[in-house]
Amino acid sequence: SQTIHQWPATLVQPVGSPLSLECTVEGTSNPNLYWYRQAAGRGLQLLFYSVGIGQISSEVPQNLSASRPQDRQFILSSKKLLLSDSGFYLCAWSVRQGMGYGYTFGSGTRLTVV
Amino acid sequence: AQSVTQLDSQVPVFEEAPVELRCNYSSSVSVYLFWYVQYPNQGLQLLLKYLSGSTLVESINGFEAEFNKSQTSFHLRKPSVHISDTAEYFCAVSEIGYSTLTFGKGTMLLVSP
Repeated sequence: SQTIHQWPATLVQPVGSPLSLECTVEGTSNPNLYWYRQAAGRGLQLLFYSVGIGQISSEVPQNLSASRPQDRQFILSSKKLLLSDSGFYLCAWSVRQGMGYGYTFGSGTRLTVV
Repeated sequence: AQSVTQLDSQVPVFEEAPVELRCNYSSSVSVYLFWYVQYPNQGLQLLLKYLSGSTLVESINGFEAEFNKSQTSFHLRKPSVHISDTAEYFCAVSEIGYSTLTFGKGTMLLVSP
């Protein structure tokens, strides 16, 4: 069966520090991968998605970046965190062939920038 | 472009009462529709989905949603809620052929005894 792992679960980082969040999927090949951010009262904001290794689409311009070095690995990064980067970050995957199955989400990372 | 509106940010209800969480979408083409549930500090879990066929879809824990094309709605209902249904519920839409879901802002369902 397919599983998605996301870590760490919680993170407290000072302003200006770097960030690296990792997401991996097991039990499937060629998934679409997604990073969302959830802020209180603002729903889920799509940050990045990827349909293949090295292929990243950015939905919102900001100081975050994403990379997909392997088929089932998706990394969210920042060189210098801002206070406004605080939030709940969710990784998700879907099958490549359309959205009929929806997404499967990871358990999320709670990031607090202080 | 697709969009989703969940008009109610919070819905308080007593245990064993019925509930309806509203969802309206905007799209010029055919869509897939989803409801997800999120418990505190957890990821989102798929509750139910509409792809095609019967407009009434059901989940294993008693929720149901009805696709209404003319009203572009996909409201979520449950005839009798439990304390354990307290969670945030997200409606989502995907235009057929697209690779992403667009989510509403969520509705917090608060069930009290």
